[in-house]
Amino acid sequence: SQTIHQWPATLVQPVGSPLSLECTVEGTSNPNLYWYRQAAGRGLQLLFYSVGIGQISSEVPQNLSASRPQDRQFILSSKKLLLSDSGFYLCAWSVQGINEKLFFGSGTQLSVL
Amino acid sequence: LAKTTQPISMDSYEGQEVNITCSHNNIATNDYITWYQQFPSQGPRFIIQGYKTKVTNEVASLFIPADRKSSTLSLPRVSLSDTAVYYCLVGDGAGGFKTIFGAGTRLFVKA
Repeated sequence: SQTIHQWPATLVQPVGSPLSLECTVEGTSNPNLYWYRQAAGRGLQLLFYSVGIGQISSEVPQNLSASRPQDRQFILSSKKLLLSDSGFYLCAWSVQGINEKLFFGSGTQLSVL
Repeated sequence: LAKTTQPISMDSYEGQEVNITCSHNNIATNDYITWYQQFPSQGPRFIIQGYKTKVTNEVASLFIPADRKSSTLSLPRVSLSDTAVYYCLVGDGAGGFKTIFGAGTRLFVKA
């Protein structure tokens, strides 16, 4: 069966510090991969999606970047965090060619202070 | 991608049937309708997906009229644990697609 791992679960970082959140998927090959952010009490905002190694599409201009160094690994990064980067970050995957069925990780609660 | 409109919140009592309607007037021919459930501090969880008429699984039913401009998620006999945010999404999911979530419907189930 397929599983998705996302870590860490909670992170507190000072403004201006770097960020690296990692997500890995097991039990499937060539998945679509996604990073979402959710502000408190709000809906999910799509940040990045990837259809293959090295292929990253950005949905919103921001202080963040994403990379996909391996087929089932997706990394969210920042060189210098801003207060506005605080939020709940979710990684997700889907089977390519299948409609809108996303599988989410457990999320990372990021607080930038 | 078709835009969706859902009620912001709904209240219900345990044991009742809950129907959450989603409007998607600009749905395209190839679009499917998918619903997710999200509990606090967790990622959304797939509930049900359909294209037309009615779909039923062990969790819910999805009713889609012939014009497909709306859909209704039906939760039978809700319990307190069904308190969550429910999202309706519409898209064709072709290779390279991107899934856009709206604000969702916050369902409160009371004892």
